[in-house]
Amino acid sequence: DIQMTQSPSSLSASVGDRVTITCRASHTISSYLNWYQQKPGKAPKLLIYAASTLQSGVPSRFSGSGSGTDFTLTISSLQPEDFATYYCQQSYTTLPLTFGGGTKVEIK
Amino acid sequence: QLQLQESGPGLVKPSETLSLTCTVSGGSISSSSYYWGWIRQPPGKGLEWIGSIYYSGSTYDNPSLKSRVTISVDTSKNQFSLKLSSVTAADTAVYYCATHKSYSSDWYLDYWGQGALVTVSS
Repeated sequence: DIQMTQSPSSLSASVGDRVTITCRASHTISSYLNWYQQKPGKAPKLLIYAASTLQSGVPSRFSGSGSGTDFTLTISSLQPEDFATYYCQQSYTTLPLTFGGGTKVEIK
Repeated sequence: QLQLQESGPGLVKPSETLSLTCTVSGGSISSSSYYWGWIRQPPGKGLEWIGSIYYSGSTYDNPSLKSRVTISVDTSKNQFSLKLSSVTAADTAVYYCATHKSYSSDWYLDYWGQGALVTVSS
């Protein structure tokens, strides 16, 4: 299995801050990397697919970058509705699809 | 726009079989455009992909669960189902159904159900 490691596991930030979350794959996954946002009690929501393509309807303050083994999710100016847990997911190897452990973004 | 809704018992006894159904609306489960999948999340923990099925019945299962998992599709009811046998407390989780596009080599999950909590306890 391809292991996905996210860092940090949690962070505290203020509204307006620039936030960066990192995801590292145990093997190269090209650009087969997707990002999700999950709020408490809700299903995950797709933010970015193919490492850098913004899903329809997702605000442009979200961006993704990277290829190979190292990827980044950036929120350019954190908004109150962005406080949530973020997960990366690889689909380079589909058996199995694997997720990172999550990064919880909390209010400072 | 696709909508997915999980249903099934919220409590299952150890060693028994967990059964969940996902009802699809806003589109046909016979569409060649989608795979239909299951993902679970133990309380307070991360996400685990269980498996996916195509309308033809072809399945892709997580090897870690493969021997216990059966995913099936019922095109007449526009539903797909999950059965997980020989459950233990470790199978307690919120179970989500979700879709990913069949014509993309990138399996990203773009539509999700709201989730169903299944507790394994005697």
